[in-house]
This record gives sequence, structure tokens and C-alpha cells, in this order.
Amino acid sequence: ETGVTQSPTHLIKTRGQQVTLRCSSQSGHNTVSWYQQALGQGPQFIFQYYREEENGRGNFPPRFSGLQFPNYSSELNVNALELDDSALYLCASSSGGQLNTEAFFGQGTRLTVV
Amino acid sequence: AQSVTQLGSHVSVSEGALVLLRCNYSSSVPPYLFWYVQYPNQGLQLLLKYTSAATLVKGINGFEAEFKKSETSFHLTKPSAHMSDAAEYFCAVSVPQGGKLIFGQGTELSVKP
Repeated sequence: ETGVTQSPTHLIKTRGQQVTLRCSSQSGHNTVSWYQQALGQGPQFIFQYYREEENGRGNFPPRFSGLQFPNYSSELNVNALELDDSALYLCASSSGGQLNTEAFFGQGTRLTVV
Repeated sequence: AQSVTQLGSHVSVSEGALVLLRCNYSSSVPPYLFWYVQYPNQGLQLLLKYTSAATLVKGINGFEAEFKKSETSFHLTKPSAHMSDAAEYFCAVSVPQGGKLIFGQGTELSVKP
């Protein structure tokens, strides 16, 4: 059973650029959620994808967008990067689109915007 | 709407001492409650969860938490701290049929030798 993997682990971008973060969900899971964790804060829910459809969104602007593929892997795209987008981005996979079951988190992608 | 408050951003205990990390929640419907641990430069690992079964929940690494509806609390305890318990701990709430976790601000646990 493979766990949740995220890539890249670290990256540095310039303000105004665009970035794509990737997540491979755990085997057997069809739901992927993305969270943003600013330094010293708890994770904040960005959005969730269930069977390739967006299944809930947090209080993030439209320049945060995502995709889920038929193999249930997912991408998080952020356009027009701002300095405040610097954070650890966490992906979590689960099954069924709900939280009755455990959500497994990846190691995260540390994004720095300069 | 749901929310979580973790009391104390930093807690320091001696090795072998009781660990108590506090979490209070707000929810308009019966909640699901979770404790996660995060080691430096790592993702989140689930310690335990409450999903309306037994109010005393046992988790991994000797941790447990008790759901107290009257106090809207879900405090995390461990009888005897180990050096390896030093980490950031997050309490989170969700609701049945809900798709997202709402996290508290976190409590950093330090363990002194």
C-alpha cells in the first residue's frame, strides 16, 4: 500500500508567477483535499476533489484552482503568486468524499514566494 | 459552523510527566474530532479520532482523548511523556457527511530530559 506523495518537496517562485503542485493519493482512495499551512498556523482548507469533481471549497480566491485525474491524483495550481502564498501545502487523501474515514496526509510542498 | 480552539501555543513537560493538551470545539451538530501530530518538516499523522462511538478514545503512541459534550472539550493526554513526543499537535473538527477538517492553531509540545 503506497502512501500519499507530493512533489516537489520545496520550490521558490517569484511574485506574479504561476505554480503547480502535485499529489498522488493513497491506493484505494478517491478523494483528495488540499490545505495551506502558513508558518506557525494550523492548516487551512483550500478545496477537495471527489471522483474528479470539486466537492467543497474554502475561503481562497479563484487564482487557487485544482484538478483531479482519473487515477485520483491531483494538482493544485496557483496563479499570480503573492508573498502571502508562501506556506506548506498539504495534500490529504481519503475515500468516499467524507471524513468518516481517516485522511492520510502527504509530507507537503514548501512554497516560498520572493 | 465549526471551530476549534487550542489553549496554549506552547506546552513544556519533563520526560515521564503527564501530557495534557487542551482543545475546545464549537459545532452546531454532533462533531467528529481528531488529533494530529506534526514532526518538523513532515506532514500530519493521525493520533486518534472521535466519531460518536466511545467517548474515551485511545490512539497511537499511548495517547488518548476524552470527548466531553457538556464542556465541548476533547483534551489529549498521555500518562508519561517521552522525548520522541516533542512535536506540534493539532486538534481538528469535522461533521458527519462533511468533507473538510477545521484545525486549531496548534500546540507545540517540548519534552525536557
